[in-house]
Amino acid sequence: KQEVTQIPAALSVPEGENLVLNCSFTDSAIYNLQWFRQDPGKGLTSLLLIQSSQREQTSGRLNASLDKSSGRSTLYIAASQPGDSATYLCAVEWTGGFKTIFGAGTRLFVKA
Amino acid sequence: GEEVAQTPKHLVRGEGQKAKLYCAPIKGHSYVFWYQQVLKNEFKFLISFQNENVFDETGMPKERFSAKCLPNSPCSLEIQATKLEDSAVYFCASSHRGYALSAEQFRNEQFFGPGTRLTVL
Repeated sequence: KQEVTQIPAALSVPEGENLVLNCSFTDSAIYNLQWFRQDPGKGLTSLLLIQSSQREQTSGRLNASLDKSSGRSTLYIAASQPGDSATYLCAVEWTGGFKTIFGAGTRLFVKA
Repeated sequence: GEEVAQTPKHLVRGEGQKAKLYCAPIKGHSYVFWYQQVLKNEFKFLISFQNENVFDETGMPKERFSAKCLPNSPCSLEIQATKLEDSAVYFCASSHRGYALSAEQFRNEQFFGPGTRLTVL
């Protein structure tokens, strides 16, 4: 069964800290993996997408890596800010279909 | 348009009534996805389309849920005879998919609409 797991479920850090969010998935035959953020009461904002042939993607203070063989992806946030407070979701699409499975998310709170 | 549009923002239905939700994908995107998020919990995949063709409907409770994407019309998700457990936010996403020569990279990101909050009383 294809599953996506995110740890930790919640994280509270002081402003300025670098942090890592983890995503693991079963079945390494993925098509792509996408990281999103969701603010309370809002939809999803796409952060980074990594194709199965890629190892990492970077955007500003965000860096996402992918290790298919171990079934893991990490989202690294540098110099965290209070505005980074949100729920971060990892979503995996496997080959053979257009079905995306989401993890339960990591709720991040950055204290000023 | 440049954003995925979903209507209505909120929908209230009595149990057993019909509910119909609409989604206009980003112009040029030929793939559409529907998700259900119950009580801020996990996103559950419902169905995906490539243009007007259903691509994957393994997440759809078929006995009451149906969806369409017809040419020159917004996509729709319809729930016949709503139940209390259908109360959720329904999100639509669209994607270009494939390799974009102009950008020399894959363009597979899913872009999400703001969602429709369905409340079944």
